[in-house]
Amino acid sequence: EVQLVESGGGLVQPGRSLRLSCAASGFTFEDYAIHWVRQGPGKGLEWVSGISWSSRDIGYADSVKGRFTISRDNVKNSLYLQMNSLRAEDTALYYCAKEISGSYYGFDYWGQGALVTVSS
Amino acid sequence: QSALTQPASVSGSPGQSITISCTGTSSDVGGFNYVSWYQQHPGKAPKLMIYDVSHRPSGVSNRFSGSKSGNTASLTISGLQAEDEADYYCSSYTSSSTYVFGTGTKVTVL
Repeated sequence: EVQLVESGGGLVQPGRSLRLSCAASGFTFEDYAIHWVRQGPGKGLEWVSGISWSSRDIGYADSVKGRFTISRDNVKNSLYLQMNSLRAEDTALYYCAKEISGSYYGFDYWGQGALVTVSS
Repeated sequence: QSALTQPASVSGSPGQSITISCTGTSSDVGGFNYVSWYQQHPGKAPKLMIYDVSHRPSGVSNRFSGSKSGNTASLTISGLQAEDEADYYCSSYTSSSTYVFGTGTKVTVL
């Protein structure tokens, strides 16, 4: 059974940093691109960042570029999101999501999310 | 990257068919056959319903179908059921090698 479990969320002051983790199991982690998608309170889904299986290809939404860094460890089957210079508008539930495959586009498995609240 | 445009709400009676539109640009929806659709019930993680415009993952009811014309993609739910009441989001791969989601549509079963 595919499982994605996010951790590392919490309450943080504006301007501070936080690191999210996503532990994967039930599939060959090193074969798939993985993404972060967030959802603000009462808001829609927003793609944040994605990383290819090899870490060679990385992308960011304009809203987080320069502040967030995505990375992965294929030995530990884990995905990370380092979030710096956090703003109130970064408050959201952060999901990690597995991409279907290299030939198909979309996210077929999602975690339950890690809640990040940016507030003084 | 601007969000794809979806109607805020769509409703229908049980057994009816409804269609949700998702409008983007030639840099996303119109430029690639990489549109996906997600169903999200309150307090739950999104669930993939359609990928690559019209492909259904294993386990998804064949009452859900997808299509695309130009810069607009569509999700059709036929034989509407109470359990279909949820929020629906489209998503597209983009020319910047990123993804963009739609604004979301709340489906109400009357």
